[in-house]
Amino acid sequence: TQLLEQSPQFLSIQEGENLTVYCNSSSVFSSLQWYRQEPGEGPVLLVTVVTGGEVKKLKRLTFQFGDARKDSSLHITAAQTGDTGLYLCAGATRGSTLGRLYFGRGTQLTVWP
Amino acid sequence: AAGVIQSPRHLIKEKRETATLKCYPIPRHDTVYWYQQGPGQDPQFLISFYEKMQSDKGSIPDRFSAQQFSDYHSELNMSSLELGDSALYFCASSPPVSGVSYEQYFGPGTRLTVT
Repeated sequence: TQLLEQSPQFLSIQEGENLTVYCNSSSVFSSLQWYRQEPGEGPVLLVTVVTGGEVKKLKRLTFQFGDARKDSSLHITAAQTGDTGLYLCAGATRGSTLGRLYFGRGTQLTVWP
Repeated sequence: AAGVIQSPRHLIKEKRETATLKCYPIPRHDTVYWYQQGPGQDPQFLISFYEKMQSDKGSIPDRFSAQQFSDYHSELNMSSLELGDSALYFCASSPPVSGVSYEQYFGPGTRLTVT
């Protein structure tokens, strides 16, 4: 069973549209990270959220951590073709020894010109 | 900025052979993690080391072993390789824990192909 459920699995949109990716769990996380991964490469860290209700912005990307620290979302405004890629959420649970990460299955985003 | 270094980037082995993957963490990072990512799968945690001691163990087969050395680099040793071991193997490192943040920075990975 997957500790983190990520949705949607695939997302195909036109340039300029907005989108939201969701990451949900029944478990509480001490921190949650969002990564972007290109084929055959390692995940690149985008952001870390640690406080319930926290919102972080990275240019056109907005990340939110749920109040109960069980869920998170990634919102992209005015998507660009350069946003195309695999987005992964990953969380460290309470009591996890030195931060083993549990990953969602990822959202493959394709932005068309 | 310095990143996590992994070597080799690509490795082809035959069944029942052994393989050694190396990881050099970001300078001053004290924790190293190993993950395995199969085709179309999310990364799965294998094992981690903090200050040269094993700190956590995940779904790592008994045929695999790992260690962290005095210079903080880590090696993942894989024996009696099976076809199912073909995957991307990532190493990640994290700095000394600050609060509850467990930021992990991933290397480019080693693609292991077992034939």
